[in-house]
Amino acid sequence: AQSVTQPDIHITVSEGASLELRCNYSYGATPYLFWYVQSPGQGLQLLLKYFSGDTLVQGIKGFEAEFKRSQSSFNLRKPSVHWSDAAEYFCAVGDGNQFYFGTGTSLTVIP
Amino acid sequence: NAGVTQTPKFQVLKTGQSMTLQCAQDMNHEYMSWYRQDPGMGLRLIHYSVGAGITDQGEVPNGYNVSRSTTEDFPLRLLSAAPSQTSVYFCASSPRGLAYEQYFGPGTRLTVT
Repeated sequence: AQSVTQPDIHITVSEGASLELRCNYSYGATPYLFWYVQSPGQGLQLLLKYFSGDTLVQGIKGFEAEFKRSQSSFNLRKPSVHWSDAAEYFCAVGDGNQFYFGTGTSLTVIP
Repeated sequence: NAGVTQTPKFQVLKTGQSMTLQCAQDMNHEYMSWYRQDPGMGLRLIHYSVGAGITDQGEVPNGYNVSRSTTEDFPLRLLSAAPSQTSVYFCASSPRGLAYEQYFGPGTRLTVT
């Protein structure tokens, strides 16, 4: 069965610092890959997606992610974090009739 | 477009009660899904639909029923609520398929006592 692993349950960064959130997946082929963000008490908003082609994808709010087939990873990055980026981030994999989520990484931003 | 809407936003039930969580979308998406979100477990798929009249089970379907009589609506029914169903429920829709980007509603927070 497919699985999505986000090894960091919680990350704290200073405002203005760079950010990288890790995501690894287990799947036989190249799946469709996604990152979502969830602010407290809100639904999930799509940040970016990867289907094929260029392995570096740009998303909204200044986020980007890089697909590395050899490492089965799809890490999310942002060069300079803003206080409003504090939220929960979910990596997800799409396959057939299923959409699998990781358990999420909670981001705290300190001034 | 309102996107995906869910009602109610909050609900408290007693064990054994039944209720229906409403979900509607105005984007003419064929694919709709229900997820539950529990702490430390991410989101898990309950049921999904690939079009009006067609539904199927996801990862955690027990205790829930769905139907899809129109493209717009996809209600989730709890038949006999149990404390284990205390969770946040999200409805989602997609224009291209269940493996593609999902657009989520704001969620319903359900507590079963």
